[in-house]
Amino acid sequence: DQQVKQNSPSLSVQEGRISILNCDYTNSMFDYFLWYKKYPAEGPTFLISISSIKDKNEDGRFTVFLNKSAKHLSLHIVPSQPGDSAVYFCAASGNNDMRFGAGTRLTVKP
Amino acid sequence: KAGVTQTPRYLIKTRGQQVTLSCSPISGHRSVSWYQQTPGQGLQFLFEYFSETQRNKGNFPGRFSGRQFSNSRSEMNVSTLELGDSALYLCASSSDIGTNEKLFFGSGTQLSVL
Repeated sequence: DQQVKQNSPSLSVQEGRISILNCDYTNSMFDYFLWYKKYPAEGPTFLISISSIKDKNEDGRFTVFLNKSAKHLSLHIVPSQPGDSAVYFCAASGNNDMRFGAGTRLTVKP
Repeated sequence: KAGVTQTPRYLIKTRGQQVTLSCSPISGHRSVSWYQQTPGQGLQFLFEYFSETQRNKGNFPGRFSGRQFSNSRSEMNVSTLELGDSALYLCASSSDIGTNEKLFFGSGTQLSVL
């Protein structure tokens, strides 16, 4: 059961431009959402999160937007840098549960 | 504060064998969850333990099992290994999953089944 979906397996952007990664969820019990970044041969590391009581959270170059009615969230990276190249996982949490999407591989070209 | 530690780092097994993976959470964390990562499938949830009790289980066959000890350390076991079990197995800990707490992941155990 894919409760969290990332429909774009990969995304390629030019350095300095905006990267937008999307995520959809189905379970209304989820009330906390997170983005994780993963490099090869390492575990995922926390990037940014947002509570369901907010619609936007910003941390430096990273901004997460939440549209509860559409059950959709997105991660914006501005400006994108080559070091941002990694797999990004969206996660939804609530009711003693946390589920992840399939991930989006972001490639930022110099 | 030490991070999440998973052992072994790499493992090679043959079909039909069984395997046990170990995870030591961050000190003070009581929730340990396990995920399987395969190319194209993302992080598939296996199960979550809190204070030695399994609270949630993903859609995996009964060959996948786990347990948590009183010191919060956790093990997962896969019996009768199949080729499709080859994956990166990730353990994550938190003070309490699903309560606006982020997970901290270990580096994973890369399992290859030949």
